[in-house]
Amino acid sequence: GESVGLHLPTLSVQEGDNSIINCAYSNSASDYFIWYKQESGKGPQFIIDIRSNMDKRQGQRVTVLLNKTVKHLSLQIAATQPGDSAVYFCAEKNNFNKFYFGSGTKLNVKP
Amino acid sequence: NAGVTQTPKFRILKIGQSMTLQCTQDMNHNYMYWYRQDPGMGLKLIYYSVGAGITDKGEVPNGYNVSRSTTEDFPLRLELAAPSQTSVYFCASREAGPAYEQYFGPGTRLTVT
Repeated sequence: GESVGLHLPTLSVQEGDNSIINCAYSNSASDYFIWYKQESGKGPQFIIDIRSNMDKRQGQRVTVLLNKTVKHLSLQIAATQPGDSAVYFCAEKNNFNKFYFGSGTKLNVKP
Repeated sequence: NAGVTQTPKFRILKIGQSMTLQCTQDMNHNYMYWYRQDPGMGLKLIYYSVGAGITDKGEVPNGYNVSRSTTEDFPLRLELAAPSQTSVYFCASREAGPAYEQYFGPGTRLTVT
């Protein structure tokens, strides 16, 4: 099966600092990756995505970087705010339209 | 649009009982998914559907069944509930493409005792 793992289970940052959440994936054939945010008691919410033919994609305060050589992607959140506190998941899609999720990183933003 | 709705929100089952988790979406999405999320873990795919009448297994299909008779509805059936099925269940849907963003429901928290 697929293996999508995260390097750090918990990340604590100061309000206003930048956050970087990392994710490793195992299937080199995966062609699409998504980052989701999950607040307590809610379903995951889409943040940003990137296709395998790209290295970088930017959104509002968020950037996703994809390194296919080492099968790694990261989510960067600029000027982290208390409302960013949540669990963040990366997910990869393989050629059969199935999505595989990592175990998540909990982001704590300290005021 | 209500998006993706799931019922019930919470349920406690006894071992061996059966139940159906309901999922409905009003976005006319072709693709629908069922995931389970165990405490402190990511989501694991149970079943998915690419359209009415078409379903396929995900990573952890054992103990579950699905059907897709309409575009809107994608119920998940648990037969002979076991404690290992205690989890939070999420339903999701998405368009056929080119965007792959999935829209998730609020989840059903199931406890089997």
